[in-house]
Amino acid sequence: SYELTQPLSVSVALGQTASISCGGNNIGNKNVQWYQQKPGQAPLLLIYADSRRPHGIPERFSGSNSGNTATLTISRAQVGDEADYFCQVWDSTTGVFGPGTEVTVL
Amino acid sequence: QVGLQESGPGLLRPSQTLSLTCTVSGGSIRSGSYYYNWIRQAAGNRLEWIGRMYSVGRTDYNPSLKNRVIISVDMSKNQLSLELSSVTAADTAVYYCARMSSSIMAPDVWGQGTTVIVS
Repeated sequence: SYELTQPLSVSVALGQTASISCGGNNIGNKNVQWYQQKPGQAPLLLIYADSRRPHGIPERFSGSNSGNTATLTISRAQVGDEADYFCQVWDSTTGVFGPGTEVTVL
Repeated sequence: QVGLQESGPGLLRPSQTLSLTCTVSGGSIRSGSYYYNWIRQAAGNRLEWIGRMYSVGRTDYNPSLKNRVIISVDMSKNQLSLELSSVTAADTAVYYCARMSSSIMAPDVWGQGTTVIVS
């Protein structure tokens, strides 16, 4: 079965840029989605198809994907960005999520 | 605006069958443009995709759960259902239903989730 890896945690200074990686075998050949989840809330779709933002998602959130690593970048980090972030792909007809990364804004 | 609401028993005994429903409001579950997913999240926070229904009756399941899962739809009630048999403590989780359009293929409308405890 297909597996995704993410760092357990990432810290970023207020106003700076955070990068969260999502590793998988030839993940560059798949479309990657990214979700933000805050405590007590359902996940929120941030990025789909590697780099596309749904309506209403700030431009500060961007994504890229190549080779064996996809990356979510949070620019100009805000306190409100503190959350868990999950990557997700479709492995044929099966949904696969990464283990999640906790982002702390210092 | 479409909304999803999960419901079901909060507590089950081991070996019982879990039955959950997801009521769709503000839109018809009949639409062939959407996939409806069940996703769960156990303590420790990892999200696990359970399965999905699309094209009114077609389903895909997580291979790790396939032998225990049935996803179905009741169009008269605009509801999606999940049945998970032979539950164990490992099935304790928050269960979400989530809709995705065929054009995006990413769940972008989520219910609030319902907590299920197996004990």
